[in-house]
Amino acid sequence: AQKVTQAQTEISVVEKEDVTLDCVYETRDTTYYLFWYKQPPSGELVFLIRRNSFDEQNEISGRYSWNFQKSTSSFNFTITASQVVDSAVYFCALPLNTNSGGSNYKLTFGKGTLLTVNP
Amino acid sequence: DVKVTQSSRYLVKRTGEKVFLECVQDMDHENMFWYRQDPGLGLRLIYFSYDVKMKEKGDIPEGYSVSREKKERFSLILESASTNQTSMYLCASRDGTGDHNEQFFGPGTRLTVL
Repeated sequence: AQKVTQAQTEISVVEKEDVTLDCVYETRDTTYYLFWYKQPPSGELVFLIRRNSFDEQNEISGRYSWNFQKSTSSFNFTITASQVVDSAVYFCALPLNTNSGGSNYKLTFGKGTLLTVNP
Repeated sequence: DVKVTQSSRYLVKRTGEKVFLECVQDMDHENMFWYRQDPGLGLRLIYFSYDVKMKEKGDIPEGYSVSREKKERFSLILESASTNQTSMYLCASRDGTGDHNEQFFGPGTRLTVL
């Protein structure tokens, strides 16, 4: 079965704090990708990052970093020195091949974590 | 830049009405998706289209149908709207030629059924 669990429903921090959003996944695939999306209050989901299961190196992009650990089936997202503009719902997602096969993949999303950064 | 547009940001309909939600993408993507988003339930896939006139049911297709007559347009149809279909509806598209390609989302349509 394919499943993504984001156990933290809501997190509230004060600006400049570091915050980590957890993502745990289950898949029977031996190779796979993982995604993170951000949904700001405007509503449109924005793609943040994609990681391949072959590559367990941490990824850093400015204040954002991702820690992928295949041994614990986790793909956690850390925001360093959080800012008010980071306030959003964050989703972790795992692709699942569809019945049509080929490169037609749909995403299994976690339920999301609402991050509120207070000034 | 990929652009996915949805016909309305907000829509109010009455129970029993037939409702059309339109989604258009401008990047020649093969795959298009309709999701609904509800508090506490995250995003749930309603229908998926992998090419023109081709569709596949998602996790919650009951009460919905879809149409994809042209590659750029994917319509979600509520044949007889009910109050439990009040929700945020999100459309997405994706380049279906690569396993790892991400989905691009539209701004969403918040539908209220009275």
